[in-house]
Amino acid sequence: DTAVSQTPKYLVTQMGNDKSIKCEQNLGHDTMYWYKQDSKKFLKIMFSYNNKELIINETVPNRFSPKSPDKAHLNLHINSLELGDSAVYFCASSRWQTNTGELFFGEGSRLTVL
Amino acid sequence: AQKITQTQPGMFVQEKEAVTLDCTYDTSDPSYGLFWYKQPSSGEMIFLIYQGSYDQQNATEGRYSLNFQKARKSANLVISASQLGDSAMYFCAEGGTSYGKLTFGQGTILTVHP
Repeated sequence: DTAVSQTPKYLVTQMGNDKSIKCEQNLGHDTMYWYKQDSKKFLKIMFSYNNKELIINETVPNRFSPKSPDKAHLNLHINSLELGDSAVYFCASSRWQTNTGELFFGEGSRLTVL
Repeated sequence: AQKITQTQPGMFVQEKEAVTLDCTYDTSDPSYGLFWYKQPSSGEMIFLIYQGSYDQQNATEGRYSLNFQKARKSANLVISASQLGDSAMYFCAEGGTSYGKLTFGQGTILTVHP
């Protein structure tokens, strides 16, 4: 039974389109994240939610809008897709303080914008 | 702000030998955690090992050990008895008490030769 699952795994779309990625975790964690891994493999946090409340927004463009309907789900909606949005997007979850517990990652969603 | 530096873009090791992957960090958090993740070519992020900043002993998990030198702000990963399946990208990360996020280094690509 997958701990952190995200769909879709692959997404190919045209510039200007809107797309969503869904994420669910069954670990009972309070905190969920979206990370972006660019073409150089650099991983950077985008958003963090704790108990459905936005905690971190790392200067991500307004075209990216996360939504957490409950603490087990964190979705990412992207408007007006641009070429630079092509990346792998990882959902993750953890207990609240990551000085004591690791992140559990989903398998990633590879977004390609043409 | 936290900063993680992995100075080795790529490392090569012979099968069955040990290898050390370097990581230095810079944080102002009084309590923090240090993590290593493995990312094989399939793309998933696999948690390997965790070290708490107040842990007196270096962490070990099977063939993985973390050489933690707090004064030098280093958290090197040691893989003993390398296996072909260890070939992957390895990321060092640091998590503090604030906001519950991990900051990742640039990664080191490890190649294990038979």
